[in-house]
Amino acid sequence: GDSVTQMEGPVTLSEEAFLTINCTYTATGYPSLFWYVQYPGEGLQLLLKATKADDKGSNKGFEATYRKETTSFHLEKGSVQVSDSAVYFCALSPYGGATNKLIFGTGTLLAVQP
Amino acid sequence: NAGVTQTPKFQVLKTGQSMTLQCAQDMNHEYMSWYRQDPGMGLRLIHYSVGAGITDQGEVPNGYNVSRSTTEDFPLRLLSAAPSQTSVYFCASKTRAATTNEKLFFGSGTQLSVL
Repeated sequence: GDSVTQMEGPVTLSEEAFLTINCTYTATGYPSLFWYVQYPGEGLQLLLKATKADDKGSNKGFEATYRKETTSFHLEKGSVQVSDSAVYFCALSPYGGATNKLIFGTGTLLAVQP
Repeated sequence: NAGVTQTPKFQVLKTGQSMTLQCAQDMNHEYMSWYRQDPGMGLRLIHYSVGAGITDQGEVPNGYNVSRSTTEDFPLRLLSAAPSQTSVYFCASKTRAATTNEKLFFGSGTQLSVL
C-alpha cells in the first residue's frame, strides 16, 4: 500500500545552519505531497505542498521539490532559526488528492540551538 | 478566530470507562476527521465525515464511534477504553470533501491516558 518514509530524528542544528529532512514515498499513480509542521503544544499546520512531478512547494523559507524519478520530497531551508524548532511530517494523498485520506510519515523532530 | 476546538486537552481514564472527545469547528467546513498520534507511527486516520449524517472509517476505526449530526461538531466516542487507546487525538477539518489538496486545519489535540 501507499506509504511515506521520513528520516529519523531528532535533528539538532545550530541557528543559521542548512536543513534537509528526507522524505521518500511509495504510491501507485500520481499522489499529491505535503509537509506539515507541529509546534510544541499545537496541532499540525500545512507548511507546503506539491501536486505534480517537478513542482516546488515553498513557504516561510522552506522548500521541497516533488521528484517522481526518485520518489522523494525532501524538505530544505537555507538558514534555520530557533523558532523553526518543531516536528515536521511528510504526507501524501493518493490519486492526486482526489481522496479524503492523508497518509503521514512518522515525523522528524527538529531542534535548533542558538 | 476559533478554528478547530477540541475538548478536553487532557484526560485520564480507567480501562473499561467510556468517554467522548469533543471537536467543533466554526469555519463551515464540509469535511471533518479524527487522527491519533503515536510515537514512531505518525498520524493515523480513525474516522472521517464528508458532511452532516455521513461518516466513514479510516485506517484504525476499531474501538471508536462517531456521528455527525451538525456541520460544526464531530465527537469521537470511546465505548470501553483500553490501554492501547492511550494516545494523542487530533481533530481536523477542511473546506470540501473529496480532495486533500486543500489544507487540513487541526485542533490542538487531546492527550488521553488509559490506565
